[in-house]
Amino acid sequence: GAGVSQTPSNKVTEKGKYVELRCDPISGHTALYWYRQSLGQGPEFLIYFQGTGAADDSGLPNDRFFAVRPEGSVSTLKIQRTERGDSAVYLCASSPQRNPGYNEQFFGPGTRLTVL
Amino acid sequence: GEDVEQSLFLSVREGDSSVINCTYTDSSSTYLYWYKQEPGAGLQLLTYIFSNMDMKQDQRLTVLLNKKDKHLSLRIADTQTGDSAIYFCAEGYGGSQGNLIFGKGTKLSVKP
Repeated sequence: GAGVSQTPSNKVTEKGKYVELRCDPISGHTALYWYRQSLGQGPEFLIYFQGTGAADDSGLPNDRFFAVRPEGSVSTLKIQRTERGDSAVYLCASSPQRNPGYNEQFFGPGTRLTVL
Repeated sequence: GEDVEQSLFLSVREGDSSVINCTYTDSSSTYLYWYKQEPGAGLQLLTYIFSNMDMKQDQRLTVLLNKKDKHLSLRIADTQTGDSAIYFCAEGYGGSQGNLIFGKGTKLSVKP
């Protein structure tokens, strides 16, 4: 079956512009996560959705970052007034969240964002 | 605070065993994971261990957990050139507290 997909795969923008990054999770997965991976670093948690609602947005760095998941499937990460420091690979993951214990997160290939 | 530490590089010869080490700080972590990332590819879950286990074996992979010292290791037996990648250790809580906390990754180079 299809895995997690993310579009675009690459995005180059200018400082100050607005960008949207899209994630299509695996069908039926109720949990969706966004992470950011800077060069030479591990992925860093941004936000977690359970269904349509953001269950934990404690990783969003500031109010320029916002994410939505209006129908509990596709999610969009929105970044306003981009800064050069926002350049990174943005990873999306989904999980079936079937039970209270272990739930594997399946990662997409990421969107590489470059802010000039 | 939460922190996961790994050494950054490891180089081995093909056929040798590789051991990648990780330390974590949050003793309430429920699950500990090893992910593999190849160039241009997404993160792939290799294996995980529940915090009440000491060891888990899965084909060429052996995970050892020392909960007292908060130390996790991944051993890859008979390392192949195809195992060259970056390996990330991560800790998590499972269930409704879903986010993972990753280390910076260990780059494994396998020389023929």
